[in-house]
Amino acid sequence: AQSVSQHNHHVILSEAASLELGCNYSYGGTVNLFWYVQYPGQHLQLLLKYFSGDPLVKGIKGFEAEFIKSKFSFNLRKPSVQWSDTAEYFCAVNGGNTGKLIFGQGTTLQVKP
Amino acid sequence: DGGITQSPKYLFRKEGQNVTLSCEQNLNHDAMYWYRQDPGQGLRLIYYSQIVNDFQKGDIAEGYSVSREKKESFPLTVTSAQKNPTAFYLCASSNDRNYGYTFGSGTRLTVV
Repeated sequence: AQSVSQHNHHVILSEAASLELGCNYSYGGTVNLFWYVQYPGQHLQLLLKYFSGDPLVKGIKGFEAEFIKSKFSFNLRKPSVQWSDTAEYFCAVNGGNTGKLIFGQGTTLQVKP
Repeated sequence: DGGITQSPKYLFRKEGQNVTLSCEQNLNHDAMYWYRQDPGQGLRLIYYSQIVNDFQKGDIAEGYSVSREKKESFPLTVTSAQKNPTAFYLCASSNDRNYGYTFGSGTRLTVV
């Protein structure tokens, strides 16, 4: 069965600090990988996705993620966070034919101004 | 604008009552999904449907039921058999597994 693990449950950073959120998944076949963000009081939004090609993917708002197949990882990064990045971040994976996404537990990011 | 509408935003029910959460999409998406979001547990899949008149159980289907009579609609019933129904419920849809989901704004259900 597929599973997703996010290592950091709650991260507190000051503005301009660099961010890296860990995500590991377990699935033996071809996967599609996603990061979603949920700003306070808003819908879940897609930050970025990987399904093939360049393992370094860039998303909205300066976020990027790197797919490392050998490590089953898809870590999210941002060089310099802003207060407006305060949100909950979810890593997700789908594999197989169902299209269903399996989500990690989520990481709450708090950025101090 | 195309999107997913979940209603109501907040719902209160007494213990032992069934309650139905609405999810409607006008994106012409084939697949629809219901997730439950609890603090520290992420999103867990309750049910999903890839085509009309067909649906499958997700990881935590016990105490829930769904129907998919129309492409646009995928209502979720939280039955009295669900032992811990108070949660935030999210509906999503997709048309291509490569492109992820579009999510609704959610329904917060409180059972007292």
